[in-house]
Amino acid sequence: QKEVEQNSGPLSVPEGAIASLNCTYSDRVSQSFFWYRQYSGKSPELIMSIYSNGDKEDGRFTAQLNKASQYVSLLIRDSQPSDSATYLCAVNPIGGNTPLVFGKGTRLSVIA
Amino acid sequence: GAVVSQHPSWVICKSGTSVKIECRSLDFQATTMFWYRQFPKQSLMLMATSNEGSKATYEQGVEKDKFLINHASLTLSTLTVTSAHPEDSSFYICSARDRFGYGDPDTQYFGPGTRLTVL
Repeated sequence: QKEVEQNSGPLSVPEGAIASLNCTYSDRVSQSFFWYRQYSGKSPELIMSIYSNGDKEDGRFTAQLNKASQYVSLLIRDSQPSDSATYLCAVNPIGGNTPLVFGKGTRLSVIA
Repeated sequence: GAVVSQHPSWVICKSGTSVKIECRSLDFQATTMFWYRQFPKQSLMLMATSNEGSKATYEQGVEKDKFLINHASLTLSTLTVTSAHPEDSSFYICSARDRFGYGDPDTQYFGPGTRLTVL
């Protein structure tokens, strides 16, 4: 059973701080990794993808991947109240047309 | 780019009726679409994987005769909830992949979702 684990939270951070969201996955051969954001009552929206070990930055967001540790993280710098949402980690375990395996999500609350 | 639409955005129906939800990829060809269901405060649950021109693959526990999926073209998949009952009330979300586009072929792009309420 391919699994993606996330702390359900809530993770509370003050406005302007760095929010750090973590995710581990069970299938060592997984090749692509994604972070989605889901606001309450809305569908998920893609934040970014990462394929290679190391960091990938996009604006205030940085994804980090460590395949040896089977660990993916998302850092949100200068957190804003509008960042308050559930963040979903997703993994494509074997490629092709198989669906992404999603974690249950971490709820982030940014306190003004 | 990579926009997915769903119609309707919400629907209310009586118990026993059927409801059809459309999912369209607006600016790309989606060889594969995925249908999810999400109950309040719960995580996404994959219902089925739909490949253009072939039968959908349903996840364990999802009744294929109740949730009919048709993926007749590279831009349209439909989910029909047959003989809907109150327990089918949920948020239904489709997702599509653009395997032939210039972007990341593994990414799933989500539609805005359809909220179904069965009275």
